[in-house]
Amino acid sequence: EAGVVQSPRYKIIEKKQPVAFWCNPISGHNTLYWYLQNLGQGPELLIRYENEEAVDDSQLPKDRFSAERLKGVDSTLKIQPAELGDSAVYLCASSLPNYNEQFFGPGTRLTVL
Amino acid sequence: SQQGEEDPQALSIQEGENATMNCSYKTSINNLQWYRQNSGRGLVHLILIRSNEREKHSGRLRVTLDTSKKSSSLLITASRAADTASYFCAGTYNNNDMRFGAGTRLTVKP
Repeated sequence: EAGVVQSPRYKIIEKKQPVAFWCNPISGHNTLYWYLQNLGQGPELLIRYENEEAVDDSQLPKDRFSAERLKGVDSTLKIQPAELGDSAVYLCASSLPNYNEQFFGPGTRLTVL
Repeated sequence: SQQGEEDPQALSIQEGENATMNCSYKTSINNLQWYRQNSGRGLVHLILIRSNEREKHSGRLRVTLDTSKKSSSLLITASRAADTASYFCAGTYNNNDMRFGAGTRLTVKP
C-alpha cells in the first residue's frame, strides 16, 4: 500500500513568489493534516481536514497561506507571497476516522531566498 | 504552538545501552503518542498510550504515563545504531487536536 505522497520534495524560490505543495493521503483516510516543521523543532499544525471540511485552521496564517481539499482526497497548500521566514519543511499526514495514529509523508523542504 | 516538551534535547549513548527520553505536557490529554523521525524523512508512529493506561510495551520500547505529573517517558532498551533519530511526543487533546513537542535527538554510537 502506498504511503502519503507529497510533491515536490524540495522547492527553492525567491521571496514574494508564490509556491504550492501537493499531498495525496493514504486511500480511505478521511482526515488530512498539514504541518510546518522548523529545523530542530517538532511539527506545528497548520490545518486539519475532515473530508472536504477544514475543522481546525486556527494556526494557519490566512493572510498569505491557503489550503484546499477538493473532493476530500488530495490537498494543496499555497503560500502567496512567500517570506524568508517561511523556509521550513511542510509535512502532510493522514489518518483514519476517529483513529489517532497519523501517517506522515516525507515532506517538502522549502527554501525562500 | 507546541504543547509538549521533551528532555533531554539531545542524547548520545553507546550501542547496547538503554535510552530514556522524557516528555511533559501542559493540559489534560486523551492519549499520548511517540513518533520517530529519521533525518530528512517524515515521522513514523511508534506507540500510543491512553490516559487511563500507565505503561505500555512494544518490542524494545517501553512507555510510561503519569497523568498526575503530566509527563511520559520512552525507554528504548538495548539500543542499536539504527535507533539514531529524533523522537517526538504528541498529546491528543479533547478536540482531537494533537500537539508535538520539540523532540529529543538520539545518537547511538556503534
